[in-house]
Amino acid sequence: DVKVTQSSRYLVKRTGEKVFLECVQDMDHENMFWYRQDPGLGLRLIYFSYDVKMKEKGDIPEGYSVSREKKERFSLILESASTNQTSMYLCASSAPATNEKLFFGSGTQLSVL
Amino acid sequence: EDQVTQSPEALRLQEGESSSLNCSYTVSGLRGLFWYRQDPGKGPEFLFTLYSAGEEKEKERLKATLTKKESFLHITAPKPEDSATYLCAVVRGSQGNLIFGKGTKLSVKP
Repeated sequence: DVKVTQSSRYLVKRTGEKVFLECVQDMDHENMFWYRQDPGLGLRLIYFSYDVKMKEKGDIPEGYSVSREKKERFSLILESASTNQTSMYLCASSAPATNEKLFFGSGTQLSVL
Repeated sequence: EDQVTQSPEALRLQEGESSSLNCSYTVSGLRGLFWYRQDPGKGPEFLFTLYSAGEEKEKERLKATLTKKESFLHITAPKPEDSATYLCAVVRGSQGNLIFGKGTKLSVKP
């Protein structure tokens, strides 16, 4: 079975901490994405990557950065966590064509106190 | 600006009561419209892709249709296990990634 694995299911952090969210896919996909999902706002794209070492800003990149050192791994970094970054974070991957379906991980529910 | 709007926000049905969910979109040159199902506490799961007006796809009690301005997800004789949030997304013209609607939360009561 194809898989997108997110390292943590639940995470609780303090304001100002540096937070790493890890995502690994086993489908040899070129494309990887980070979304956040909030009630009433839906899924919003934070960052995406179409290749190793490559990254592009999505709709809400402020306060976040990403790293893609290997094809299968895409990390989301919160440089200094704030309470408004409390959210469900979803990682996804897809094959190269831009109209290919996304495969999602199970999500990380992050609470920043 | 590319946009996806889903309606209604929430829908309550009795088991066996058929209905439809709507997804209206604005995008320059549709390259694909996607339907996903999301259960509470889980990531979205792919259901269908539609590429051109007039296209239809079916899976069990679900049928997705597409026109030039909107897509419908028809649910025939739903069961409680069909309860979930259904998300619609289109390929964004400028960047090629997906833009999602806010979803329709479906509840099917026995």
